[in-house]
Amino acid sequence: DAMVIQNPRYQVTQFGKPVTLSCSQTLNHNVMYWYQQKSSQAPKLLFHYYDKDFNNEADTPDNFQSRRPNTSFCFLDIRSPGLGDAAMYLCATSRDTVDERRQNEQFFGPGTRLTVL
Amino acid sequence: AQSVTQLGSHVSVSEGALVLLRCNYSSSVPPYLFWYVQYPNQGLQLLLKYTSAATLVKGINGFEAEFKKSETSFHLTKPSAHMSDAAEYFCAVTSYSSASKIIFGSGTRLSIRP
Repeated sequence: DAMVIQNPRYQVTQFGKPVTLSCSQTLNHNVMYWYQQKSSQAPKLLFHYYDKDFNNEADTPDNFQSRRPNTSFCFLDIRSPGLGDAAMYLCATSRDTVDERRQNEQFFGPGTRLTVL
Repeated sequence: AQSVTQLGSHVSVSEGALVLLRCNYSSSVPPYLFWYVQYPNQGLQLLLKYTSAATLVKGINGFEAEFKKSETSFHLTKPSAHMSDAAEYFCAVTSYSSASKIIFGSGTRLSIRP
């Protein structure tokens, strides 16, 4: 089945120790997203890739970076995690075409829960 | 700018009772609207979406939603709640300013009483 895969599902890191979360997709979608979700809150968009073009949200801290080496993979790098970065991180994908702009839903992975000690 | 408002952060119903989760939208252009469900420690799963083809939209797991332009609403309903429906539900609208972004409501936690 076509899907969005996130590894690992649970990640524990130490305060200030860089960590990388990964996402892969078999849907061949051109757009990939990273969200941060804290307890009992809606997902908050950090950034997204439209094809190879990186789009950062204005309020995303510099501590968060992303890489998309190819269509299938996307990584979230947290350079110096703080206690406030403990959250669920969700990867999502969508197909955005001129004909179907705005209509297509996003497909989400199961998320990676990050704990910062 | 587009936005959605979910009324009620927590809704509790008895098993077998009607489920009604409220969502109102604000949009200066015809909106595309979505309902997502999130089970504990899982990602979001699409329940249904409105893309102007029909005002009554049927989704998975017996859920449906009706788009009412006059009321700027897109409420989610299910005739008979199951214990397995307990989850967080998010209403969302696509952003007109960016074709690839969606704007989530704050979410409604649905609890089912035995």
